[in-house]
Amino acid sequence: QITLKESGPTVVKPTQTLTLTCACSGFSLTTSGAGVGWIRQPPGKALEWLAVIYWDDDKRYSASLKTRLTVTKDTSKNQVVLRMTNMDPVDTATYYCAHEYSGSYYFDSWGQGTLVTVSS
Amino acid sequence: SYELTQPPSVSVAPGETARLTCGGNNIGSKSVHWFQQKPGQAPVLVIYYDTERPSGIPERFSGSNSWNTATLTISRVEAGDEAEYYCQVWDSISEYVFGGGTKVTVL
Repeated sequence: QITLKESGPTVVKPTQTLTLTCACSGFSLTTSGAGVGWIRQPPGKALEWLAVIYWDDDKRYSASLKTRLTVTKDTSKNQVVLRMTNMDPVDTATYYCAHEYSGSYYFDSWGQGTLVTVSS
Repeated sequence: SYELTQPPSVSVAPGETARLTCGGNNIGSKSVHWFQQKPGQAPVLVIYYDTERPSGIPERFSGSNSWNTATLTISRVEAGDEAEYYCQVWDSISEYVFGGGTKVTVL
């Protein structure tokens, strides 16, 4: 059974860098085809894809946010890390990580999400 | 950038059929995936590749996709189906695209 769990700060200040961790279980980030994506959802709004990283270290980013995003993986811990720079109040959202089998282009298992509020 | 359009809300009586649409330019040429999201919960995949159901998803959920509209059909609607539903596609330029969501209310 695939499970994912996000962790990180609940509050960040404007201009700070957000770092979120996704702990993965039930699959290995080194297994061919494994992928983990990040998706966010502002309160009361729709889902927005941010980034995805694959077992072979291929990475894709949302065009509108790519200058602010970095996604990496720690295979020793089976974790994926998302960094977003220059946080702004409009970045207040629930951030989800989710599993994708490479090339499927959909996310079949999602973490519970973590709410991040950007406020001074 | 590629865009998906969903009606904001749909209301349906218990036992009836709900049809949720997802519009996009030539969406019929893409694979459409659908997610159900209940308040305070993470999205759950209910349909992938237009018509496929993950294990554990009731047969009451079905999908279709043609021309400029994809449709999620929920037959014999139950109170537990009340949720927000999102469609999603992958586009070679925009990559992962989500629709704005449709809130299904069971009367």
